[in-house]
Amino acid sequence: GQQVMQIPQYQHVQEGEDFTTYCNSSTTLSNIQWYKQRPGGHPVFLIQLVKSGEVKKQKRLTFQFGEAKKNSSLHITATQTTDVGTYFCAGHSSGAGSYQLTFGKGTKLSVIP
Amino acid sequence: DGGITQSPKYLFRKEGQNVTLSCEQNLNHDAMYWYRQDPGQGLRLIYYSQIVNDFQKGDIAEGYSVSREKKESFPLTVTSAQKNPTAFYLCASSIMGSTDTQYFGPGTRLTVL
Repeated sequence: GQQVMQIPQYQHVQEGEDFTTYCNSSTTLSNIQWYKQRPGGHPVFLIQLVKSGEVKKQKRLTFQFGEAKKNSSLHITATQTTDVGTYFCAGHSSGAGSYQLTFGKGTKLSVIP
Repeated sequence: DGGITQSPKYLFRKEGQNVTLSCEQNLNHDAMYWYRQDPGQGLRLIYYSQIVNDFQKGDIAEGYSVSREKKESFPLTVTSAQKNPTAFYLCASSIMGSTDTQYFGPGTRLTVL
C-alpha cells in the first residue's frame, strides 16, 4: 500500500533559525496536504498542493510539491515559539476513487526561546 | 458555530469492556473518518464513511466497529477484541472527494486499565 515517509522525526531549533521538514511518498500523489498539531491539540489544515512543482507561501511558511508529485517540503523561516507543534504531511494517491489520506508520522518541532 | 465535536475528552475503561466514542459534525459534510494516534506513529485510519449507511475499513480496522445511520454522526466502538486500545482517537470530516480538506475534532484520549 501507499507509504508516506516524513523526516526528521524531531527538530529542535533556536528561535529565529529556519526549519524544514520533508515528505516522500512511495507512489505518485494526486495532491498533498499539510497539517499542524499543537501540543495537546488536534491537527489543523494548513495548505494543499496539487500541481507538479507547485510552491505556495503563507507568511513565513513555504510549501513545495515535487516535479514528480512524490515528495514535498515545508520550510519555516525565522521560527517563533508559536511555531511549536507537530507538522504532518498527508497524501492522496492518484488511484481512482481514492478517499484515503495517508499521513506521514510527523515532525515534532521544538523552538528554544 | 460549525464544527466537529467528540466526547468525552478523556475516557477510562477496564480491560475487556467495549466502549463507544462519539463524533458529531454540523458542517453538512458527506465523508467522515476515524483515526488513531499513538506517539511517534502519526495518524492511522481506522474506518471511513463516504455516505450514510456505508463505511469502509481503513488500515487498522481490526477490533473496531462503526455505524453511520445519520449524516451528522459517526460513532466508533472499541471492542474487547482490540489488543491495545489505549490511544488518542481523532474523528474528521470532509465535504467529499479525494482532494478535500479534512477537519478534525478535538479528539478522545482513551485509557484502558
